Amino acid sequence: EVQLVQSGAELKKPGESLRISCKASGLIFTSVWISWVRHVPGKGLEWMGKIDPVNSYVKSNPSFQGHVTISVDKSATTAYLQWSTLEASDSAIYYCATGYNHGPYYFDYWGQGTLVTVSS
Amino acid sequence: DIQMTQSPSSLSASVGDRITITCQASQDINTYLNWFQQKPGKAPKLLIYDASKLEPQVPSRFSGSGSGTEFTFTINNLQPEDTATYFCQQYDIVKFTFGPGTKVEIK
Repeated sequence: EVQLVQSGAELKKPGESLRISCKASGLIFTSVWISWVRHVPGKGLEWMGKIDPVNSYVKSNPSFQGHVTISVDKSATTAYLQWSTLEASDSAIYYCATGYNHGPYYFDYWGQGTLVTVSS
Repeated sequence: DIQMTQSPSSLSASVGDRITITCQASQDINTYLNWFQQKPGKAPKLLIYDASKLEPQVPSRFSGSGSGTEFTFTINNLQPEDTATYFCQQYDIVKFTFGPGTKVEIK
């Protein structure tokens, strides 16, 4: 069974750093891209970027480029989303997703989401 | 950038009704269009891919159609468990873009 299991909720202060994770199982990790999607309740979903675990190549949404870092640890079959300097506007639910059945342009499996709250 | 719009933003209908949601792309996206259902506190769930193909295990009362810039998503025989927000999503070689969503409630 394909599963994407994300790390738990985080409460951070503006200016702090953070890394959240997405552990994949039940699939060949190097055969799929892993995407990150931001959900601000009431404001819709935004695709942030995706990573190819084969070579760690990242394709980013220009709206997020430079503010977040997407990375992967092949040996741990885990993808990461990282901030070096959080802002209050980063408060959201973050999902990882992959197109296991249909390929790299689809999201047919999702993690359960990680709630990130940034508040002073 | 390709922009996606959806209408209506919300609707309320009765059990057994047929509802239709429209999604419009700012430029031709062929049939590179997917539909998701999201319930509160849950991750989105893929229902329809490539504009009209039903994801396995998804009930046949859900359907999609369209190509180019105009797409529709239909739920026939609306059920109480269909209460959710529905998003369209396009994909191209640059990035993925979601529509703003349609909140569906049961009267």
